[in-house]
Amino acid sequence: QVQLQESGPGLVKPSQTLSLTCTVSGGAINSGSHYWSWVRQPAGKGLEWIGRISTSGNTNYNPSLKSRVTMSMDTSNNQFSLKLTSVTAADTAVYYCARDTYGGNSYYFDYWGQGALVTVSS
Amino acid sequence: SYELTQPPSVSVSPGQTARITCSGDALPKKYAYWYQQKSGQAPVLVIYGDNKRPSEIPERFSGSSSGTMATLTISGAQVEDEADYYCYSTDSSGNQRVFGGGTKLTVL
Repeated sequence: QVQLQESGPGLVKPSQTLSLTCTVSGGAINSGSHYWSWVRQPAGKGLEWIGRISTSGNTNYNPSLKSRVTMSMDTSNNQFSLKLTSVTAADTAVYYCARDTYGGNSYYFDYWGQGALVTVSS
Repeated sequence: SYELTQPPSVSVSPGQTARITCSGDALPKKYAYWYQQKSGQAPVLVIYGDNKRPSEIPERFSGSSSGTMATLTISGAQVEDEADYYCYSTDSSGNQRVFGGGTKLTVL
């Protein structure tokens, strides 16, 4: 059973960079043709896909965040990471990492981490 | 940008059938997926590929899709099914990956 766990600072100052890491257990991150995604959810609001990365390092980002997002992959440690620059209070949210699986005509998220709350505040 | 539209809320009594809809222009070409999110928890996949159910999900959960509308049906809804439900899909190119706004299901 694949498990994902987010880690990183829970508090980030405005204009600084948010950094999170997702550790995958229960299988090698590079087994199967999966991508690995980040999704966020502000308190009381809906889900927003941030972007994804393949184990070879190919990335796709949500156009609304693309200018501020960087994702990286570390297959030796079964981890992938998110960096979001120039954060504001609007970036305060629970950040989830998730496995991205091909479903026949599109990708979807089949396994999720428990989520990490990141608050942007001075 | 691509959008999926869900009703904000649905309410049923225990044992009744709950239906949650999701509309989107690309649904005739792209699968719909459904996630259940209970308060303070991560989303859980309950339907994939329009109408397939993960083995750990109860049989009372089913999905269908026709034209530009997908539907999640919970037959004989139980109190423990109270949650927010999100549909998910992509635009016809597969590049825009979006969730619906979510539907709060109340069972009481």
